[in-house]
Amino acid sequence: NAGVTQTPKFQVLKTGQSMTLQCAQDMNHEYMSWYRQDPGMGLRLIHYSVGAGITDQGEVPNGYNVSRSTTEDFPLRLLSAAPSQTSVYFCASSYPTSGRVNTGELFFGEGSRLTVL
Amino acid sequence: GQNIDQPTEMTATEGAIVQINCTYQTSGFNGLFWYQQHAGEAPTFLSYNVLDGLEEKGRFSSFLSRSKGYSYLLLKELQMKDSASYLCAVMDSNYQLIWGAGTKLIIKP
Repeated sequence: NAGVTQTPKFQVLKTGQSMTLQCAQDMNHEYMSWYRQDPGMGLRLIHYSVGAGITDQGEVPNGYNVSRSTTEDFPLRLLSAAPSQTSVYFCASSYPTSGRVNTGELFFGEGSRLTVL
Repeated sequence: GQNIDQPTEMTATEGAIVQINCTYQTSGFNGLFWYQQHAGEAPTFLSYNVLDGLEEKGRFSSFLSRSKGYSYLLLKELQMKDSASYLCAVMDSNYQLIWGAGTKLIIKP
């Protein structure tokens, strides 16, 4: 039981390049999300999904795309990387309870540290 | 707007007790959460409060006052391994978490 797996753990990009951060979970969680964490700031929600085929924008969605073709996978795509996207990215999932898909008890991946030059 | 405030950094002594405060203003309230994050690692869930009062879990306790928009995390019998950042988060009316910037706790021997 691996939990939430993110790849790659480290990545350096040049401005304008595109890439995909992979996220997979084996807990059959309906809710998956992507956050970015920057120094001195709280985690900020980029995109989230409440089930296969359903995605929605979070607080800071610009410059990022997501898709959810299966319950297990939730990749995050950077379309044209910018230095402002230098950050640590976390994928997180949650199990449903009491009619909610997100209990707030999130299971995080180890993080992906992205630098855009 | 939505706002979660917590101190940036605190220092405490091994074996002592420390209280980390969190105040919040959010659109809706569906619970308050505390997470622990060691340097270079992912956050891990510590506690959840949705009703006023104290929730105790071993050496850690969390308190909530909804009328005051206030919570604290109490850590007892501090150990060196408790050196970490502690993140306060509130679930808003859309059932998404709004996060504070975190409190870095430094434990000294």
